[in-house]
Order: sequence, then structure tokens, then C-alpha cells
Amino acid sequence: GAVVSQHPSWVICKSGTSVKIECRSLDFQATTMFWYRQFPKQSLMLMATSNEGSKATYEQGVEKDKFLINHASLTLSTLTVTSAHPEDSSFYICSARVPTGKAFFGQGTRLTVV
Amino acid sequence: GESVGLHLPTLSVQEGDNSIINCAYSNSASDYFIWYKQESGKGPQFIIDIRSNMDKRQGQRVTVLLNKTVKHLSLQIAATQPGDSAVYFCAESNFGNEKLTFGTGTRLTIIP
Repeated sequence: GAVVSQHPSWVICKSGTSVKIECRSLDFQATTMFWYRQFPKQSLMLMATSNEGSKATYEQGVEKDKFLINHASLTLSTLTVTSAHPEDSSFYICSARVPTGKAFFGQGTRLTVV
Repeated sequence: GESVGLHLPTLSVQEGDNSIINCAYSNSASDYFIWYKQESGKGPQFIIDIRSNMDKRQGQRVTVLLNKTVKHLSLQIAATQPGDSAVYFCAESNFGNEKLTFGTGTRLTIIP
């Protein structure tokens, strides 16, 4: 089946620094990828839709200047959490849908801001 | 607003028994539904999907039932195994809109 790879799996950073998370589709091309955030014991909340070659579309309440998304190729989208603060600590997950419609998810990235 | 929700937040099932996880959705325009399994610290894993032109679909040990009349979705897992212990999410979308909306999740615990 399709594989979506996310890197890193976990990261610890100091408050005020920026962190970049990569999402790659390994065996298919994805013109659209999605970024989710998940807090403990909660469901996945869509943050933004990453569009190859154009600006990302952000969900209501998500700060686009804080969560920078770049989708430079058909197999790579990146999420950069800028000036991270402890409240940004969360599990970040990306996904991509194959042409048949199935959506596959990355392994997730555990971000801890100290 | 539109939402996809689950009736039961937790479910404990004896190993070997069958389990049923339910999901209610409110967007009548939704025409594509997916069940995901999420283990602790991992991303969601695709289990099975169903389109609105079907009311039942079977996979290996899993069956998804869709009742559009009452906007209800269920996941049946047969002969449960310890490895089935996880949180299960339903998700929905409509054709032409690639975004998925996730339900609140049900934690399934298989009792040895």
C-alpha cells in the first residue's frame, strides 16, 4: 500500500526556536497533503491543506505565520513551527490521499517544547 | 457545525469475541467514510473504507456497515486479538473535497 513517511518521529526544542517537520509520499505523487495536530486523548484536528506549487489553505483558528507550510514538490511537504512555545507541544501528523481516494498517514511527530 | 461523533469512548472486549464500534455523522453530503486504527504514539492506520453507494463492505476480520438513513457507521471486528487494542476513529469526507473530518475516537481494549 501507499506509504507516507514523516520525519522526525520526535523532537524536543527550546521555547522560541523553530522546528521543521517533513512529510514525504514514498511511492506516489501527492498534489495535496494535510497536516493534523492531535493533543493527548483527543481526535485529529486538521490544521491546513498543503498544495503543491501554491499556498497552503489553513483551517479557521490556525495561525499561518506560526505554522509555515511548504509543498515544493509532489512528494514533499514541510511544516515549520516557528517561535515554538510549550503550548505548541503536540503530536503532528501528515497525510496524503492516493488517486483512489484512500488517505494514508505518516507516523507522526511528537513535538515537545521546553 | 458538521461533526462526526462516536457513541462510546471506551470498549472492552474479551479476546476472541466480536466487537462493534459505532459512529454517527451529521453531514448528509458525506459520501466517503474510513475507519482508522491508531496505536499509542503512531499515526492512524487505514483499516477499511466505504462509499455511500454501498451499505456494507468486508475486509479481513473487519466489516463496515453504513446506514445513510440514520447517518450511522459501524466497524465490526471479528475474533478480536490483543493486537486489536487501540483507538479507532471514523472519518468522513465528500467527493471533491479531500479533507477528512474525524470522529472523537473509541478506545478498544481486548481482555486476554
